[in-house]
Formats: sequence, structure tokens, C-alpha cells
Amino acid sequence: GENVEQHPSTLSVQEGDSAVIKCTYSDSASNYFPWYKQELGKRPQLIIDIRSNVGEKKDQRIAVTLNKTAKHFSLHITETQPEDSAVYFCAASSEGGGNKLTFGTGTQLKVEI
Amino acid sequence: DVKVTQSSRYLVKRTGEKVFLECVQDMDHENMFWYRQDPGLGLRLIYFSYDVKMKEKGDIPEGYSVSREKKERFSLILESASTNQTSMYLCASSLQVDEQFFGPGTRLTVL
Repeated sequence: GENVEQHPSTLSVQEGDSAVIKCTYSDSASNYFPWYKQELGKRPQLIIDIRSNVGEKKDQRIAVTLNKTAKHFSLHITETQPEDSAVYFCAASSEGGGNKLTFGTGTQLKVEI
Repeated sequence: DVKVTQSSRYLVKRTGEKVFLECVQDMDHENMFWYRQDPGLGLRLIYFSYDVKMKEKGDIPEGYSVSREKKERFSLILESASTNQTSMYLCASSLQVDEQFFGPGTRLTVL
């Protein structure tokens, strides 16, 4: 089955700096890669996703890049703000799996003022 | 606006009890999922369902079963609760290969 590894497990940045979280996956058939943000005490919510037919996707301060050859994808947050502090999860899914997602173990991002 | 609800936010049960966790979604999603979330382990899939009466094992199905009699409702059953099943349980639903919408979670404590 799919295996997703996520690094780092914790990340501390100064407000205004960039943050990068990296994930690798094992199943070359995976073609959908979402990122979820979970604030303390809240449910995970999708912030951005990418499909295997594109290499990069941006949404304001958030971007995701995908390298299918190397089987890794990354989340980039620019101009970080205190409200970006949360746990971020990457995930991977293959189309034939009924949208079965395999999640990474999460990254606790802390944005310090 | 998609709404996924779970029957309880907090639940305390005793070892050996049968436990039912219920999840309801209101967006006619065909896919529904049950995860457990533990610190440092992320979200691990217990079971999922892609249609009524259909179920598939996830990565950690041992000790759990599920039921999906209606499209909007997906139940997780712990036949005989054990202390190692103390965890946060999250339900989710989705259309095809797309965004999964999560419920608020049930924090289960087994004493």
C-alpha cells in the first residue's frame, strides 16, 4: 500500500518568513495530493491540492509543487502570519482507491511574532 | 456548505463495552471514511465506504467494524472496547477523488 512520509515534524519560523513542508510517497499510481490544515481543537480542512498532471499550483500565499519522478511534493507558505500556526498534513491518493487517502504524520508549524 | 456531524464530541466507555460512533453528512457524498488521530501518528484510516452497504478495510481495521445502511450515515463500531482504542475519531466524506470534509471528531476514552 501507499506510504507517505512528512518532514519536519515541527517547524518554527518568524512572522513574515517562508515555511516549507516536504512529503514523499511510495505508490507511483498516486495522482492526487491534498494538504490539510488543522488548527488546535478544530477539524482538518483542505487548503490546497494538486493532481499529477500539473507540477505547481498557487493560491495567494500558499503553493504546492509536485515532482512525480522523485515522488515528492512540498507545501510552501510565504509571508507567514500567526494565524498560519497549525498542524499541516499532506496526503496521497490513487484514483482507483475510492479516494482513499494516506496521510503523513503531520507538521506542527509555529509562527512567532 | 457541506456539513458532516458526529454523534458525540466526548465519550467515556469501559473496557469490554460495545461502542457506536455515528457520522452523518448532508451533501449526498458517495464516499465516507473513519480515521483515528493520535499524536505523532497523523490520521490513520480505519474503514471507508464508497457506496451504501459497501465497505473497505483501511490501514488499521482490527478491533473495528462499520455499517452503512443509508448513503448519508456511516457508523463505526467497537465490538469490545479496549484501552488502546482511546483516541480521537474523525469521520469524513467526499465525492470521487476530491476534497474530504471532516466532522468535528469524537474524543473517546476507554477506561
